[in-house]
Amino acid sequence: GAVVSQHPSRVICKSGTSVKIECRSLDFQATTMFWYRQFPKQSLMLMATSNEGSKATYEQGVEKDKFLINHASLTLSTLTVTSAHPEDSSFYICSARDLAGGNTDTQYFGPGTRLTVL
Amino acid sequence: GENVEQHPSTLSVQEGDSAVIKCTYSDSASNYFPWYKQELGKRPQLIIDIRSNVGEKKDQRIAVTLNKTAKHFSLHITETQPEDSAVYFCAALNKEYGNKLVFGAGTILRVKS
Repeated sequence: GAVVSQHPSRVICKSGTSVKIECRSLDFQATTMFWYRQFPKQSLMLMATSNEGSKATYEQGVEKDKFLINHASLTLSTLTVTSAHPEDSSFYICSARDLAGGNTDTQYFGPGTRLTVL
Repeated sequence: GENVEQHPSTLSVQEGDSAVIKCTYSDSASNYFPWYKQELGKRPQLIIDIRSNVGEKKDQRIAVTLNKTAKHFSLHITETQPEDSAVYFCAALNKEYGNKLVFGAGTILRVKS
């Protein structure tokens, strides 16, 4: 149980284009999902908290107009990197909590999306 | 907000030896402390966690200890195996801050056979 998927696993795009990343909870409903960014050899940095049916809350320093988050259903959150630039190249990982499960604090991570902006 | 420090940044041990990774946190209101293992290019996998009402938890070769007074917690891996080689992250969760996890910087564990 508690499986989180992400799509795509890898994406290469040209500078200035937009990229959408999907995060799905496959066997549970997630009212809250989290989006992280991880640069090579670094830790996971929380970008934003995605809330089903309401606006996402962004961490300090993360541009909400650049990283658009939509959480339209209890099993899907999307992150759109708009007007991507090479410095946005990173490993983007989502996570979700299974509030109906035995351990409601545990965050289950998706497999990540490797974004490369040329 | 919460700040989590993790040491050491790299750790090399001989197969069969024990490995210990230590973390400290700053906010005494944090009450949930998971440990994740991440292999290169893969997702973080939860390996063990502990809540603030417990001092120690063990699962086979892995154990975690928590000292609430000192605000530090440690991961102990016994009888290390080459497949234990990975990056390990500690984290702290504070419900007062939207159930957000704050991660340590990570420890690269290398188990030499």
